[in-house]
Amino acid sequence: EAQVTQNPRYLITVTGKKLTVTCSQNMNHEYMSWYRQDPGLGLRQIYYSMNVEVTDKGDVPEGYKVSRKEKRNFPLILESPSPNQTSLYFCASSSPAREQYFGPGTRLTVT
Amino acid sequence: RKEVEQDPGPFNVPEGATVAFNCTYSNSASQSFFWYRQDCRKEPKLLMSVYSSGNEDGRFTAQLNRASQYISLLIRDSKLSDSATYLCVVLNAGNMLTFGGGTRLMVKP
Repeated sequence: EAQVTQNPRYLITVTGKKLTVTCSQNMNHEYMSWYRQDPGLGLRQIYYSMNVEVTDKGDVPEGYKVSRKEKRNFPLILESPSPNQTSLYFCASSSPAREQYFGPGTRLTVT
Repeated sequence: RKEVEQDPGPFNVPEGATVAFNCTYSNSASQSFFWYRQDCRKEPKLLMSVYSSGNEDGRFTAQLNRASQYISLLIRDSKLSDSATYLCVVLNAGNMLTFGGGTRLMVKP
């Protein structure tokens, strides 16, 4: 089944404790992206990757890192999480200029 | 001005009603357009792409007006299961998707 998977789905952590949210797709898509969704602000892009070893900042990259060592994986790293990073996070993938497929989301709470 | 604007709603309609959502975008060079559906706390899912000639998929019809930079979605014969948030999405150069804030639809019995 073609899909985008994210782990963990739910995470509660404390300020400053490094964490990684994994994202994997099995559709051989070149393009992958991370978004956060907050009430009243909609979906905002954090980082994106056009292909392996190619990453770039989206609209709200501060406090996040990504890597794209393999085509299928695009982890999101929070080196020192803060409470303002409490949000619902979505990973997505696509072929160039095509619709994006989203993962099921990761609900992160930073206390 | 937001790059993609939608009326947030909510639109409260009875079952069987016809409802229309509109969306405007500011980048005249935008390349592709989509409507996504998002249920509460779930991931957005593609509802339909929007083509210049307009396109229909069952009860759903999408229209694009490039001159006015305007996209619409029409839902006929609304079902309870249509209750969701509908996101207008614009694809720009570099594969950059920009999302509207979403329009919430609630279909009542």
